[in-house]
Amino acid sequence: AQSVAQPEDQVNVAEGNPLTVKCTYSVSGNPYLFWYVQYPNRGLQFLLKYITGDNLVKGSYGFEAEFNKSQTSFHLKKPSALVSDSALYFCAVRDRVTGGFKTIFGAGTRLFVKA
Amino acid sequence: KAGVTQTPRYLIKTRGQQVTLSCSPISGHRSVSWYQQTPGQGLQFLFEYFSETQRNKGNFPGRFSGRQFSNSRSEMNVSTLELGDSALYLCASSGAGGSVNTEAFFGQGTRLTVV
Repeated sequence: AQSVAQPEDQVNVAEGNPLTVKCTYSVSGNPYLFWYVQYPNRGLQFLLKYITGDNLVKGSYGFEAEFNKSQTSFHLKKPSALVSDSALYFCAVRDRVTGGFKTIFGAGTRLFVKA
Repeated sequence: KAGVTQTPRYLIKTRGQQVTLSCSPISGHRSVSWYQQTPGQGLQFLFEYFSETQRNKGNFPGRFSGRQFSNSRSEMNVSTLELGDSALYLCASSGAGGSVNTEAFFGQGTRLTVV
């Protein structure tokens, strides 16, 4: 069965420093991986996705993610964090199931960027 | 292009009542999914509709139901409300038939409080 793990409940980083939010996955076939961000009292916003091709995927707001097949990881990164990046981040895997498709979300990682 | 619209934004109901939530997807999107978000359980998949057909369902009791109309608008209904149903209910729509490599666009959610 497919699953997604975000091992850190919270990540703290100083503004201007690089940030990493970790994600590992388990799927039976090809992985279709996504990152979403949620600001307070809002729905989720799509950041980026890995389907195939280059292992380094670039997305919105300067975020990027590195797909590592051997480590089954898809960590979210940003070279220089901003206070406005403080939010809840979700990693997700999408897979085919009988009759359609299903998205499984990780538990979420809360990012705090301190000025 | 207008985003995903969910109504109402906030709702307070009493135990035992029933509630109907509405979701209007992005124009042209035919795939609509519903999720329940709680602090303890994270994001849980409820169901997915495509062209008025439910093509996938999560592990929720039969009190949770939904439907999709010919214009792709969707509703979800929860009957015999329990305190544990208090949550943020998120709707998401996807283009391209909501296929496996398609990202989702989320509404702002409906905050349901059961008292």
